[in-house]
Amino acid sequence: DTAVSQTPKYLVTQMGNDKSIKCEQNLGHDTMYWYKQDSKKFLKIMFSYNNKELIINETVPNRFSPKSPDKAHLNLHINSLELGDSAVYFCASSQAAGNYGYTFGSGTRLTVV
Amino acid sequence: DAKTTQPPSMDCAEGRAANLPCNHSTISGNEYVYWYRQIHSQGPQYIIHGLKNNETNEMASLIITEDRKSSTLILPHATLRDTAVYYCIVSPFYSGAGSYQLTFGKGTKLSVIP
Repeated sequence: DTAVSQTPKYLVTQMGNDKSIKCEQNLGHDTMYWYKQDSKKFLKIMFSYNNKELIINETVPNRFSPKSPDKAHLNLHINSLELGDSAVYFCASSQAAGNYGYTFGSGTRLTVV
Repeated sequence: DAKTTQPPSMDCAEGRAANLPCNHSTISGNEYVYWYRQIHSQGPQYIIHGLKNNETNEMASLIITEDRKSSTLILPHATLRDTAVYYCIVSPFYSGAGSYQLTFGKGTKLSVIP
């Protein structure tokens, strides 16, 4: 079984559209994250949720809205997509009790045309 | 900003040991050294972490200098599948729940050559 799974793996959409990326983890972790990797390959944290509560919210446009229905899921909804949103988005999870290491998903490659 | 410095790239012959250095001269007393790698088109993968003692697991060994200002990740017998970008990160082990923030730098692109 995949520990952290993201869907879809690829997403091509037009500017102005609204799209969602889903993430699920079956590791029993308390904390989940969204990272963005841009064309220059820099990985930057966007959000962190602990037990469905938002903990970290980096400087991200408010067009990005994370939703955590339960601690095993963290979805990312993006409104009014722009060309600059094209990137690979990674979901990750970890234990809250100590930093034993993150487990990352395989990523969602978003292309806005 | 990342608190670590790594060489941008390294080559290693297949079957030989790959030694990847990392400088973290401003590391705090409560910060651990973590290593991750990212194989092309995949998500980052946790490798190992340590505080001040040397650590070894099934993937790699981590050697941390006594002053903790630098460390070396050792892949004892590199294979072609070890070709990846390797990230050295310093981060607290205990923090507020969910507030760990792994800050990735540019990493070292390791190329294992047949």
